Amino acid sequence: NAGVMQNPRHLVRRRGQEARLRCSPMKGHSHVYWYRQLPEEGLKFMVYLQKENIIDESGMPKERFSAEFPKEGPSILRIQQVVRGDSAAYFCASSLRTGAETQYFGPGTRLLVL
Amino acid sequence: DAKTTQPTSMDCAEGRAANLPCNHSTISGNEYVYWYRQIHSQGPQYIIHGLKNNETNEMASLIITEDRKSSTLILPHATLRDTAVYYCIAPSNAGGTSYGKLTFGQGTILTVHP
Repeated sequence: NAGVMQNPRHLVRRRGQEARLRCSPMKGHSHVYWYRQLPEEGLKFMVYLQKENIIDESGMPKERFSAEFPKEGPSILRIQQVVRGDSAAYFCASSLRTGAETQYFGPGTRLLVL
Repeated sequence: DAKTTQPTSMDCAEGRAANLPCNHSTISGNEYVYWYRQIHSQGPQYIIHGLKNNETNEMASLIITEDRKSSTLILPHATLRDTAVYYCIAPSNAGGTSYGKLTFGQGTILTVHP
């Protein structure tokens, strides 16, 4: 039973490029959450999505960041025109139930912006 | 979320029980206590959660005081692989406002020594 999968595991981008991070939830889970962990800081909630819907994006930066979870395929976190401050580990989690606090995390994507 | 307070760090000898405390004096009657851990460079891992009664699973035990103002996570026989940051979280779910948004504090750095 595969867990939450994220790819790529490591991503290097130059300033101004776009970063696309993908997350496949656990089988049977239709709720996805994205968190960001800046260097030497704690995990911060970014966004909660269900299939084709954004439920809570209160933690998303107002500009350059977007997320989607289409009917088919993985959830995508997209960062446009990346800056050095976007360098962080981005973790995806999934849950079976709506807005559940029992979440299963993926291994994360480490984004480095040069 | 109810504010939680944890010691910054703790040490434990391998094979001994690790007892990690958490204060959550502002917790409300319907808010659960969740424990997660993050082993270095990995995604967070769900451990256990509880409301009033003590809980046990294959990973740990959770002891919640009768007044629910504090709890203790117990790893009965700590191993070197249990070295991690442990997070105690009390998500607010009054009126469904939590929506699965986990708020990670600084947690407790547990170091298990040989």
